[in-house]
Order: sequence, then C-alpha cells, then structure tokens
Amino acid sequence: ETGVTQSPTHLIKTRGQQVTLRCSSQSGHNTVSWYQQALGQGPQFIFQYYREEENGRGNFPPRFSGLQFPNYSSELNVNALELDDSALYLCASSPRREGTEAFFGQGTRLTVV
Amino acid sequence: RKEVEQDPGPFNVPEGATVAFNCTYSNSASQSFFWYRQDCRKEPKLLMSVYSSGNEDGRFTAQLNRASQYISLLIRDSKLSDSATYLCVVNPISGTYKYIFGTGTRLKVLA
Repeated sequence: ETGVTQSPTHLIKTRGQQVTLRCSSQSGHNTVSWYQQALGQGPQFIFQYYREEENGRGNFPPRFSGLQFPNYSSELNVNALELDDSALYLCASSPRREGTEAFFGQGTRLTVV
Repeated sequence: RKEVEQDPGPFNVPEGATVAFNCTYSNSASQSFFWYRQDCRKEPKLLMSVYSSGNEDGRFTAQLNRASQYISLLIRDSKLSDSATYLCVVNPISGTYKYIFGTGTRLKVLA
C-alpha cells in the first residue's frame, strides 16, 4: 500500500451542490497533487500543493479549489457541480516537488446526478 | 496534437508472449517519464521510472528516446496477472509536479 488515503471512497451528489474530498498524504511527503479521471481516459492534472501553497494548476475552472494543511493533508473542493464532474478523483503524494514518482490514493468516485 | 499519445488497444496476447507499447510526447523539454499500471476501477500504481539509459525490472524493460520523443515498455513472458491498462506519464515542467498522462493502453493476456 502507498500510505495515501482518500475519503470518502464513493459519493453521489446532485447537480449544483458542493463537495469536499479529502486526502492524507504518505508520511514524509510534502507535495500533494489532485487528478480527475473520467471513464476511459487518463487522469487529468487539477492542481498541486507544496508546503500549503498552490504550485501549479491544470485547465480546470475556479470552482475547483483546494487546500493543504500543515500536516500536508489536503482537500479538493468543487462548487456548483455539473454532470461532467462525475469521475474518479485521485490524490497523489510525493516527497518533493519534482523528479520523483507520485503515489496515488485509492481515489474517490464521484457521481453527479 | 495531444501532449502524450498512446495506442489505446486493446492488445490481446497469449500467455508467454512478448508485447511492446509505445508512447509519444510533444514537449521536448519534458523532464521525467514513468509507466504506471492501472487495474479496472483502481488507482494507478507505479510500474517503473524511465531513464535515458533504459532500465529493466524483471520481465519489464523501459526505454526513452529523447530525439524521437517516445517511450516504450516491453513485457516479456506475459502473465495473466499482467492484464491491466498501462499509462504513459510525462512530467513536462520543471518545478512542479504536473503529470501528463496518456489515455492508457489496455492489455489482456489470454490463457
């Protein structure tokens, strides 16, 4: 196991609602990245947090936001949910900002109805 | 052109076969390269990093060709348990952990 845990594992929300997903990074890892994986696609980079600050963002609208806490755990918040937000949301932690492998949690499967 | 391109497959091969996957990337300044394996409805798991000199881990061999901007993965003596989707991953930007994933190549090893 990678030591990266995500909660919840499954979630069903209604269009227009807001959702918060959580991630506990592996011990000793100060960098957390979030990815969205739609069915049949590779994961798409949402953003990265390094030492509590956003350190890069993909092509996602501002209604996708995040936080990293002093213990390096992280949250992903999505406002005004749309049907297309239905996907597997993956959190990855790594010991440095770059150049090393990322280790993924088991993901949160979000369904928007 | 997609930043990272893979043949989606599926590749259906008999047990014991050798199978090769290729992946091309568009950003010549890309820094790091990886192969991840993803089982159905599970998270991606690191299979191996890809180095310029090539690297081997048991039945798996990865190669990087910077001049042609492609990465390859060779699996020898395929096992049923190798059935999965193989994701090519590129880190194109120094100083950030933005990974660009290919769409993945599906492999099914048949008994």
